[in-house]
Amino acid sequence: AQSVTQLGSHVSVSEGALVLLRCNYSSSVPPYLFWYVQYPNQGLQLLLKYTSAATLVKGINGFEAEFKKSETSFHLTKPSAHMRDAAEYFCAVSDNGGSEKLVFGKGTKLTVNP
Amino acid sequence: NAGVTQTPKFQVLKTGQSMTLQCAQDMNHNSMYWYRQDPGMGLRLIYYSASEGTTDKGEVPNGYNVSRLNKREFSLRLESAAPSQTSVYFCASRGSNQPQHFGDGTRLSIL
Repeated sequence: AQSVTQLGSHVSVSEGALVLLRCNYSSSVPPYLFWYVQYPNQGLQLLLKYTSAATLVKGINGFEAEFKKSETSFHLTKPSAHMRDAAEYFCAVSDNGGSEKLVFGKGTKLTVNP
Repeated sequence: NAGVTQTPKFQVLKTGQSMTLQCAQDMNHNSMYWYRQDPGMGLRLIYYSASEGTTDKGEVPNGYNVSRLNKREFSLRLESAAPSQTSVYFCASRGSNQPQHFGDGTRLSIL
């Protein structure tokens, strides 16, 4: 069975500061990993995905994530936070056995302070 | 360029009523999914359909049924709504070797 743990249900940063959102996964097979963002009253939008190619994955809006197998982690970072980054972020894992059933973490709500 | 369209956007039901949530995608995707989102729980898979004519249970299927009407449409039915089914429901679709695309959700309250 696969699972995802997101450390910190709420993270608060100042505008211009580093954003670090933590995700650890558990998977018995090589995983596919995803970060999604959800703005208020909207659906989820894909930020980036890891599918066993490069371990450092660049996504939209200046975000990136690094796959570390030894740490079973896939943390999301952005060098400089912007007010528009305030949203909820979800890490997800799949085994990509054809159905790509996603298992989501519980989410981290990011607040950006002026 | 609609993507994934869910109807209705909001609904209030009484306990015991039935309802069907509709989802349609215009991207010619084979796979479609239904999730529910509850505060502090993330998204949990209810049912999915890998292709037209097939459906399978996800993590939390109890109390729900689905129909993959055709390639475009995947509906979710609550036969006898319960307060525990108050949630935000998301439909998603996926093409081959592509990530899932999500609709904007249906906010369902059951009194």
